[in-house]
Amino acid sequence: AQSVTQLDSQVPVFEEAPVELRCNYSSSVSVYLFWYVQYPNQGLQLLLKYLSGSTLVKGINGFEAEFNKSQTSFHLRKPSVHISDTAEYFCAVLRGSYIPTFGRGTSLIVHP
Amino acid sequence: GAVVSQHPSRVICKSGTSVKIECRSLDFQATTMFWYRQFPKQSLMLMATSNEGSKATYEQGVEKDKFLINHASLTLSTLTVTSAHPEDSSFYICSAIPQGSTEAFFGQGTRLTVV
Repeated sequence: AQSVTQLDSQVPVFEEAPVELRCNYSSSVSVYLFWYVQYPNQGLQLLLKYLSGSTLVKGINGFEAEFNKSQTSFHLRKPSVHISDTAEYFCAVLRGSYIPTFGRGTSLIVHP
Repeated sequence: GAVVSQHPSRVICKSGTSVKIECRSLDFQATTMFWYRQFPKQSLMLMATSNEGSKATYEQGVEKDKFLINHASLTLSTLTVTSAHPEDSSFYICSAIPQGSTEAFFGQGTRLTVV
């Protein structure tokens, strides 16, 4: 079985500061990993994904994530956040039949 | 990227009535679509997998007679909440994965309020 754990339910940070949103997964097989962003009352938008190859993945809006197989992690990072990055962030893993399984989400709150 | 359109974005209905939500893939064909439910400040809970031309596969604990899913074509899946009650109020999101892809594309969601 595959599951996703997002340890932080909320991450407050000041504008222009760096941020890391943590994600750990459990799987006995190779995984595909994703980060999605959700703005209020909207659907989900893909930030980045890891399928194979380079463990450092760059996405949209200046975000990047690193796949670490030994630590079963896929943490999301941004070196300098903006107010507009305030949103809910979901880590996801694909399970059988390409069905995404989501973590509980992390609310990123950027303060001026 | 591919576009998934969900309609309506918001709906308010009276208790006991039924509500239909549409999910369309605009520029690709999707043999499989997914329906999620999201409670405030919580993650997405998979309700069912909608398969074109066949019955939907429901997750454990989801009432198939309550949440009717129809996937009549390769670009349209519908979710009908029958005899809605206030506890059915939630944010419903659909998604689809283009054939040959691993990336899921999401609709913009439907905010259902049952009064």
